[in-house]
Amino acid sequence: SQTIHQWPATLVQPVGSPLSLECTVEGTSNPNLYWYRQAAGRGLQLLFYSVGIGQISSEVPQNLSASRPQDRQFILSSKKLLLSDSGFYLCATRDMINYGYTFGSGTRLTVV
Amino acid sequence: AQSVSQHNHHVILSEAASLELGCNYSYGGTVNLFWYVQYPGQHLQLLLKYFSGDPLVKGIKGFEAEFIKSKFSFNLRKPSVQWSDTAEYFCAVISSGNTGKLIFGQGTTLQVKP
Repeated sequence: SQTIHQWPATLVQPVGSPLSLECTVEGTSNPNLYWYRQAAGRGLQLLFYSVGIGQISSEVPQNLSASRPQDRQFILSSKKLLLSDSGFYLCATRDMINYGYTFGSGTRLTVV
Repeated sequence: AQSVSQHNHHVILSEAASLELGCNYSYGGTVNLFWYVQYPGQHLQLLLKYFSGDPLVKGIKGFEAEFIKSKFSFNLRKPSVQWSDTAEYFCAVISSGNTGKLIFGQGTTLQVKP
């Protein structure tokens, strides 16, 4: 079965600082990977998805970027964080056999 | 673009009350529908899913949902809630194509009072 590892679990960063959140997947190859954000009082918003190495699609304009340097690695980045980047970030992959999704444990980002 | 709408943002119930959470989606083609739950401090968990067949889907922990194609709805129900059902509930739909983007509703916070 698929497993997603996300780190760190919690992060407090000052405004203007850079960001790098990492997500790795086990138990599958060539997965579709997704970054979601859950902001306070809002639902889960899809930020980026990737169907393969180096292939990134952005769903919403924002201060963040994503990269997929390896098949099972998905990175969320920012050069300069904004207060509005605070939220709960989830990495996910799709189970192509059962068509379900597997989610990581998430990273709680607070920009101060 | 596809969207999912959950009408109830915050629901408060007493134990043993019946639950129904509304979910509507906007997409005219074939859909895959899901309900996820997030208990406090825990990961998102799949409650149930609908792909095809019987429109009444039964999930874990006594939850069920009914797909009504004519109403573009996939409401979640439970006959008798428990305090342990306190959580946030998300309806979601998978878009067509091989990207398989899972689009979530805004979520409903359910608080069950003992």
